[in-house]
Amino acid sequence: GENVEQHPSTLSVQEGDSAVIKCTYSDSASNYFPWYKQELGKRPQLIIDIRSNVGEKKDQRIAVTLNKTAKHFSLHITETQPEDSAVYFCAASNPNFNKFYFGSGTKLNVKP
Amino acid sequence: DSGVTQTPKHLITATGQRVTLRCSPRSGDLSVYWYQQSLDQGLQFLIQYYNGEERAKGNILERFSAQQFPDLHSELNLSSLELGDSALYFCASSVVWTSTDTQYFGPGTRLTVL
Repeated sequence: GENVEQHPSTLSVQEGDSAVIKCTYSDSASNYFPWYKQELGKRPQLIIDIRSNVGEKKDQRIAVTLNKTAKHFSLHITETQPEDSAVYFCAASNPNFNKFYFGSGTKLNVKP
Repeated sequence: DSGVTQTPKHLITATGQRVTLRCSPRSGDLSVYWYQQSLDQGLQFLIQYYNGEERAKGNILERFSAQQFPDLHSELNLSSLELGDSALYFCASSVVWTSTDTQYFGPGTRLTVL
């Protein structure tokens, strides 16, 4: 199956700084890469996603980049705010297995 | 609010017991996925149903089973419960079942096994 690795496991930034979370995947057939934000005790919420025919996607302060050759994708959050503090999960979806493979999560702490 | 509903919100039970968790997908979604999230852990995929039929299986224990009914709601049955089964159980739904289909998560059921 697919193997998704996510780094770092924890990330602490000052309010206003940028945060970058990176994920790698193993199977080149994976073609859909969503990012989810999960606040403590709540459901994962989709914040941005990218499909394999696109290299970058932006939505206000959030952007995702995909490098298919290197098999990695990254989440970029600019001008971080305390409400960005949460656990972020990346995922890769593989048409051969028809399921999502989630990374282990990154706990982001934005200090005011 | 994602439109996916789950009941109950909390469940406290004893070891050896059996429980049923329920999920209603978003209106129009045909596919339901079940995930387990233990404390400070990631999301473990359990099983997926599409239009009433099992589509994919993950790390689901034999003590666990699921089904999707004609009205598309799904139930996850957990039996012979152990302490280690204590976790948040999420369901998610998507329109169909393709690999590029976005999944929307429900609020989860917190299961505590004492």
